[in-house]
Amino acid sequence: AQSVTQLDSQVPVFEEAPVELRCNYSSSVSVYLFWYVQYPNQGLQLLLKYLSGSTLVKGINGFEAEFNKSQTSFHLRKPSVHISDTAEYFCAVSEGGYQKVTFGTGTKLQVIP
Amino acid sequence: NAGVMQNPRHLVRRRGQEARLRCSPMKGHSHVYWYRQLPEEGLKFMVYLQKENIIDESGMPKERFSAEFPKEGPSILRIQQVVRGDSAAYFCASSLSGTSGTNEQFFGPGTRLTVL
Repeated sequence: AQSVTQLDSQVPVFEEAPVELRCNYSSSVSVYLFWYVQYPNQGLQLLLKYLSGSTLVKGINGFEAEFNKSQTSFHLRKPSVHISDTAEYFCAVSEGGYQKVTFGTGTKLQVIP
Repeated sequence: NAGVMQNPRHLVRRRGQEARLRCSPMKGHSHVYWYRQLPEEGLKFMVYLQKENIIDESGMPKERFSAEFPKEGPSILRIQQVVRGDSAAYFCASSLSGTSGTNEQFFGPGTRLTVL
């Protein structure tokens, strides 16, 4: 069965500093990987996804993530954060071609002015 | 092009009452998913439906919960005899087809259920 681990429940970072949000997954088959962002009292918005091909995936709002199969990781990065990036970020995985998506518990990014 | 719509946005029920949550997928989408988000937790998959069919309900509690996606109209998540533990945000998502890699799930704004 697939699972996702986000070790950091909260990450405070100063504005314009870089940030990395960690995500590790476990699965017995090939996977698709996603990062979603949730702003307060809103639904989830897809930031980026890894399906195949290049292990470095670029998404919206300047975010990118790198798929590392040997370490079963899919960490999210941004070189310079903005106040508007304050939100909760969810890593997610689905196995094969099936639509069932498993989410991590989320990481709250707090950007400090 | 309207996104996924959910109503009501907020729902308050007393213990023992019924809760009905509605989800209208994006235009042209025939695949609907329901997720539950408990406080301070991630989203948990509940059920995956296509028009008139339940494809996967492995995340649904065995009792009191049911879901449908009729040929016409929105998808409905129904919770009978609600208890305080049902208080959560319920999110609906829709996709164009059932292949996760090639079709993004678009999420609605959620329904926040509070059980008194």
